[in-house]
Amino acid sequence: AQKVTQAQTEISVVEKEDVTLDCVYETRDTTYYLFWYKQPPSGELVFLIRRNSFDEQNEISGRYSWNFQKSTSSFNFTITASQVVDSAVYFCALSGAGNQFYFGTGTSLTVIP
Amino acid sequence: KAGVTQTPRYLIKTRGQQVTLSCSPISGHRSVSWYQQTPGQGLQFLFEYFSETQRNKGNFPGRFSGRQFSNSRSEMNVSTLELGDSALYLCASSRDGKNIQYFGAGTRLSVL
Repeated sequence: AQKVTQAQTEISVVEKEDVTLDCVYETRDTTYYLFWYKQPPSGELVFLIRRNSFDEQNEISGRYSWNFQKSTSSFNFTITASQVVDSAVYFCALSGAGNQFYFGTGTSLTVIP
Repeated sequence: KAGVTQTPRYLIKTRGQQVTLSCSPISGHRSVSWYQQTPGQGLQFLFEYFSETQRNKGNFPGRFSGRQFSNSRSEMNVSTLELGDSALYLCASSRDGKNIQYFGAGTRLSVL
């Protein structure tokens, strides 16, 4: 069974604080992809990153970084020096052999100025 | 390059009616997936079309159907609307379904 768990429903931080969004996944597939999407109030999901199951290198893109650990089935997302524009709902997703995407329930991040 | 376009953006219908939503994928993308998003259930997969064929289907009743045209544009139809069908319906396209899915802004459907 494929499953994505985002245990943090809501997080509030003060601007410039660092924040980490957790994502734990379950899959029996040996080849799979993990994703993070951002959904601002406008509603459109914006793609942030994709990782395949064979690439455990951490990724950094500006203030964003991702930590993929197969040993713990986790794909966590850290925002450094958060800004008000980072306020959104963030979704972690998994795509396995069947091509279907499985999304977590999302984490609502509020950055307080 | 134009993104995924969904029309209309907002719809208000009454119970028992039917509705058709439209999605135009990014040029060159052959896979179109549909999702229902509600506060209680989150993002739920409806179905995926690839080259005019339904390739994957989620766990929704038969009132929810879709199709894809030769130009990869897709439509989703919901018949006999129920109050619980009120949701944001999102369409996503990708080159072949395995790759990154790019989402449209969604159609917000309200059933009264």
